[in-house]
Amino acid sequence: GESVGLHLPTLSVQEGDNSIINCAYSNSASDYFIWYKQESGKGPQFIIDIRSNMDKRQGQRVTVLLNKTVKHLSLQIAATQPGDSAVYFCAERRGYKLSFGAGTTVTVRA
Amino acid sequence: EAGVTQFPSHSVIEKGQTVTLRCDPISGHDNLYWYRRVMGKEIKFLLHFVKESKQDESGMPNNRFLAERTGGTYSTLKVQPAELEDSGVYFCASSQDGLKGETQYFGPGTRLLVL
Repeated sequence: GESVGLHLPTLSVQEGDNSIINCAYSNSASDYFIWYKQESGKGPQFIIDIRSNMDKRQGQRVTVLLNKTVKHLSLQIAATQPGDSAVYFCAERRGYKLSFGAGTTVTVRA
Repeated sequence: EAGVTQFPSHSVIEKGQTVTLRCDPISGHDNLYWYRRVMGKEIKFLLHFVKESKQDESGMPNNRFLAERTGGTYSTLKVQPAELEDSGVYFCASSQDGLKGETQYFGPGTRLLVL
């Protein structure tokens, strides 16, 4: 069965605002949780990951939060730009295998 | 450095025909993975190679699918005979040999349509 899922299939955000994309998971045995971004015609592109023993990790304009108590993962994008429009997937990794959620389509409004 | 490449980018075939997809991983990456996304659903793992050996093929849907990686470089995924439900996007990914925490880099995918 599926172990990773996203709360909302679509998200519309005003350019310059912050975006928050959510994901719920059910498998507590995963090593890592990862966010990928997929633009039209391309494959998933790694954004950021977080080990299962951490609760927050920051990158450039992105922050991933992991709440193991409620099995929730989120991706925060600061100052959303038009180039951030894409489908975002959360995924969990156990060993070498990735399990993906269904994806959230983010549309940035000018 | 070139990324993961896949060929063809698109394929349209009729039910019952055979299709072979190719993946060239990033040079030096011993680990190669196949995933697919059928319409409206999530990306699902198919199998994992370490060099030329299949480490995990638990995601392969049935025996109509055959993956090979002769010589441990590029890989092919053959679907024979293709069925309508095989339509979707097939992704290949690769990662460096070793650590479980390593990032998997994805190719652009092959969009397969079975009519």
